[in-house]
Amino acid sequence: DQQVKQNSPSLSVQEGRISILNCDYTNSMFDYFLWYKKYPAEGPTFLISISSIKDKNEDGRFTVFLNKSAKHLSLHIVPSQPGDSAVYFCAASGAGSARQLTFGSGTQLTVLP
Amino acid sequence: DTGVSQNPRHKITKRGQNVTFRCDPISEHNRLYWYRQTLGQGPEFLTYFQNEAQLEKSRLLSDRFSAERPKGSFSTLEIQRTEQGDSAMYLCASSLAGSVSGYGYTFGSGTRLTVV
Repeated sequence: DQQVKQNSPSLSVQEGRISILNCDYTNSMFDYFLWYKKYPAEGPTFLISISSIKDKNEDGRFTVFLNKSAKHLSLHIVPSQPGDSAVYFCAASGAGSARQLTFGSGTQLTVLP
Repeated sequence: DTGVSQNPRHKITKRGQNVTFRCDPISEHNRLYWYRQTLGQGPEFLTYFQNEAQLEKSRLLSDRFSAERPKGSFSTLEIQRTEQGDSAMYLCASSLAGSVSGYGYTFGSGTRLTVV
């Protein structure tokens, strides 16, 4: 039972264009959402997050949008750069004291020069 | 501070052997997590420590798995009688409880376990 789903295993975009990565969740108890980027042979690196009380958070080229009614979030990267090529994981955190993260299965983003 | 350090980076073991991994978190972080990642999947939560106390364990953590954080600093994860299904990347992460940035962990580079 996947509580966090990333339905696109891969995405290719041209350099300079927008990359949109999508994520859906099922657990309404999640109150914090995060995106991580992972390069081969490295651990995931925190990218950007959003609280459930917001619908948008922006950090430079990265913007995360949250649609609570649809239980959907997306990560926009504008403009995309070849160095952005990596696996992107969506993660969600609930109200439990452990604040453990539930991850999606990831989307491999390839930015073509 | 060099971030979260995990050793070894790679481990190949025969089925039935015991293995132990080590994680050194960021020094001021009081929360430490272990996750497991298999091919094509995202990391899955295994267990969590606050200081030296192990406060939560996933049902994924069978009785062959044991984790410790004896002095609230480094942690070890031991797998006894390894099985081929244990082959995965084992990730450690740390965070600081109570800080906003605590929601965003710092992960180590992981230990890749291959059971043959």
